[in-house]
Amino acid sequence: QKEVEQNSGPLSVPEGAIASLNCTYSDRGSQSFFWYRQYSGKSPELIMFIYSNGDKEDGRFTAQLNKASQYVSLLIRDSQPSDSATYLCAVTNDYKLSFGAGTTVTVRA
Amino acid sequence: NAGVTQTPKFQVLKTGQSMTLQCAQDMNHNSMYWYRQDPGMGLRLIYYSASEGTTDKGEVPNGYNVSRLNKREFSLRLESAAPSQTSVYFCASSAHLRPATNEKLFFGSGTQLSVL
Repeated sequence: QKEVEQNSGPLSVPEGAIASLNCTYSDRGSQSFFWYRQYSGKSPELIMFIYSNGDKEDGRFTAQLNKASQYVSLLIRDSQPSDSATYLCAVTNDYKLSFGAGTTVTVRA
Repeated sequence: NAGVTQTPKFQVLKTGQSMTLQCAQDMNHNSMYWYRQDPGMGLRLIYYSASEGTTDKGEVPNGYNVSRLNKREFSLRLESAAPSQTSVYFCASSAHLRPATNEKLFFGSGTQLSVL
């Protein structure tokens, strides 16, 4: 079982819609949870982190964490063509940051 | 602002050849990391260095060696390249010795390596 699993995608959404990305993790001791965005051919960049159960909002992005279910999600509201990218879920436990395989999102104009 | 600088950006090797990927950061970070990224596999940690003079294995260390030359520089060496090492390699750094609650990784621009 992979440590971090994401819905495989690709996910295609119309401009202005909500994109919903899901991630599950296997280690109950995981401490912090991150979403990185990676444009094609570029390096990942951090867009959100969350470490407490519940929701965290930052602009059009909302991260949701449920430690009991070992589940973290990312919602992108009012999706824009510039949101077209691969989104990587990452989970940290002590020194190690483990990444999921990523979900590719395409926003249709 | 340079951030994390990786060289080279592209490299083609023949099976059995050796090479070193160079990485340097100018943010006075303590921790540095090497990841590889393969299609459908996400980023996998090869080696990391919590501080100058220390290195530890990650998830996929076989076939690689690293050197933390000083606080700024962390190199990755392939002694005898194999086709299975064809990948995109990313160097990253972070401020703290261990990931904190809101630890952020700063990534280099990546090295596309092909082993024929």
